[in-house]
Amino acid sequence: DQQVKQNSPSLSVQEGRISILNCDYTNSMFDYFLWYKKYPAEGPTFLISISSIKDKNEDGRFTVFLNKSAKHLSLHIVPSQPGDSAVYFCAASPGGSQGNLIFGKGTKLSVKP
Amino acid sequence: DAGVIQSPRHEVTEMGQEVTLRCKPISGHDYLFWYRQTMMRGLELLIYFNNNVPIDDSGMPEDRFSAKMPNASFSTLKIQPSEPRDSAVYFCASSLGGDLAKNIQYFGAGTRLSVL
Repeated sequence: DQQVKQNSPSLSVQEGRISILNCDYTNSMFDYFLWYKKYPAEGPTFLISISSIKDKNEDGRFTVFLNKSAKHLSLHIVPSQPGDSAVYFCAASPGGSQGNLIFGKGTKLSVKP
Repeated sequence: DAGVIQSPRHEVTEMGQEVTLRCKPISGHDYLFWYRQTMMRGLELLIYFNNNVPIDDSGMPEDRFSAKMPNASFSTLKIQPSEPRDSAVYFCASSLGGDLAKNIQYFGAGTRLSVL
């Protein structure tokens, strides 16, 4: 069973508007959440993260929101730009001594000029 | 640092042949991960190492797959014999490990494997 779910395989947004990518998780022990961005023919690159003790983290046009009670996080991109078109992966850290991350299946964002 | 380096970038082979994928992690990183990406299953963790020791190989699909990390700067993922269903992009990643931000993984560019 998937512990990290990205239920929207794709999202299309107009340039300049807000993009909202969503992610749900099942394990309340997850203590750190990350978003990765992946362009075709490249590896995923780290974008932004949030600790479970926070509910918001902002970095320029990117903001991640965490709702622990709902086990939900979202990535907001404002304003969206055509260069943001990529696949976005949500990931969660199981915490403790485990060093691995659990990834969602990704959402493909298309930002249209 | 040059980042995580994977080779080859592309590999085309015939069914039944042995395939070896290579990875050089970022210097100083204690964790190394092997992933496989397919359309159907997304990004799957195959195996990961901590200080060159395999920690969790539960994602390795079957005995045809094996991975080694003989030292801190090199790892291999081997498929023998290869099958068409092994066609995918294979990623290697490394991280410092530890708490929170040290768990950020840095990925290589991947190896696109095609088994004919």
